[in-house]
Amino acid sequence: GENVEQHPSTLSVQEGDSAVIKCTYSDSASNYFPWYKQELGKRPQLIIDIRSNVGEKKDQRIAVTLNKTAKHFSLHITETQPEDSAVYFCAASAGGTSYGKLTFGQGTILTVHP
Amino acid sequence: NAGVTQTPKFRVLKTGQSMTLLCAQDMNHEYMYWYRQDPGMGLRLIHYSVGEGTTAKGEVPDGYNVSRLKKQNFLLGLESAAPSQTSVYFCASSYREKTQYFGPGTRLLVL
Repeated sequence: GENVEQHPSTLSVQEGDSAVIKCTYSDSASNYFPWYKQELGKRPQLIIDIRSNVGEKKDQRIAVTLNKTAKHFSLHITETQPEDSAVYFCAASAGGTSYGKLTFGQGTILTVHP
Repeated sequence: NAGVTQTPKFRVLKTGQSMTLLCAQDMNHEYMYWYRQDPGMGLRLIHYSVGEGTTAKGEVPDGYNVSRLKKQNFLLGLESAAPSQTSVYFCASSYREKTQYFGPGTRLLVL
């Protein structure tokens, strides 16, 4: 089955700096890669996703890049703000008979210091 | 439009007791999922359903059963709770292979 590795496990940055979180996956059939943000005690919420026919996708201060050859994808947050502090999870899903099943990374605790 | 809701929010069980967690969605989604979240391990899929009357095993199904008698509801059962099942349980739903929307979670403590 699919295996998703996420690094780093913790990331501390100063407000205004950029943050990068990286994930690798094992199943070459995976074609959908969402990123979820989870604040303390809350539910995971989708912040951005990318499908395998796209190399990069941006949404304001957030961007995701995908390298299918190397089987890795990354989350980039620019101009970080204290409210970006949360746990971020990457995930991967294969199409077709996977029925949307997601395999998650272990999570990255991002702390943005004012 | 409540989205995905879960009942109960928190529960304490003794080893060997049974309980059922209820997930409900009002978005008319076909697919529903149950995950458990443990520290340092992300979310792991327990069981999932692709439609009313269908269920399938995920990554960590042992010790759990599920039922999907109605399209909007997905039940997760623990027949004989064990301390290893102490976790936070999240339900999610999606329109086929689209974005998964999560419920608020159920915290379960098994003593």
